[in-house]
Amino acid sequence: DVKVTQSSRYLVKRTGEKVFLECVQDMDHENMFWYRQDPGLGLRLIYFSYDVKMKEKGDIPEGYSVSREKKERFSLILESASTNQTSMYLCASSPEPPGLVNTGELFFGEGSRLTVL
Amino acid sequence: AQSVAQPEDQVNVAEGNPLTVKCTYSVSGNPYLFWYVQYPNRGLQFLLKYITGDNLVKGSYGFEAEFNKSQTSFHLKKPSALVSDSALYFCAVRDKTGFQKLVFGTGTRLLVSP
Repeated sequence: DVKVTQSSRYLVKRTGEKVFLECVQDMDHENMFWYRQDPGLGLRLIYFSYDVKMKEKGDIPEGYSVSREKKERFSLILESASTNQTSMYLCASSPEPPGLVNTGELFFGEGSRLTVL
Repeated sequence: AQSVAQPEDQVNVAEGNPLTVKCTYSVSGNPYLFWYVQYPNRGLQFLLKYITGDNLVKGSYGFEAEFNKSQTSFHLKKPSALVSDSALYFCAVRDKTGFQKLVFGTGTRLLVSP
């Protein structure tokens, strides 16, 4: 089975701290994604990556950055955490390269619930 | 831009009764549509998808969805609900511009009472 592992299930940070959220997948998937989930807003895409060292902005990239140094690992970085970044963060991966008609199935991690005080 | 709408924040149904969770879409061209489920404190799990072909799509855990082009809908259904079906359900559409990422709806909470 595909496994997407997010290193921290629950984090509590203070305003202004630098926060790293780590995600690792074990199925050699090309594509990786970071979403945030908020009640009433559903899932919103922050950043995605379709190859090592490649990244693309999603719908809400402000206040975030990402790093993909290895194919299996995709990190989300909050340079200076703010209270409005309190949320559930979901990492996902998919095997298809972009530009092809494909199934679109994403494999999600368990989520990281971040609270910024 | 491609989008989906889930008009109900919550759906309540008694165990054993049929359930429907609604989703409508707005896309240009033929849509690629998906349903995902999220159990408490868990990530999302893929349930089913419509790409092409038969309008009735069968998925995991006894769920099915009906694609209706004239009504631009993709409602999730199950003939007989279980208490264990209680979860958060998300409809999604494949954005066919650029990278073809998934765009999710706002989610519908399903509560199945014993």
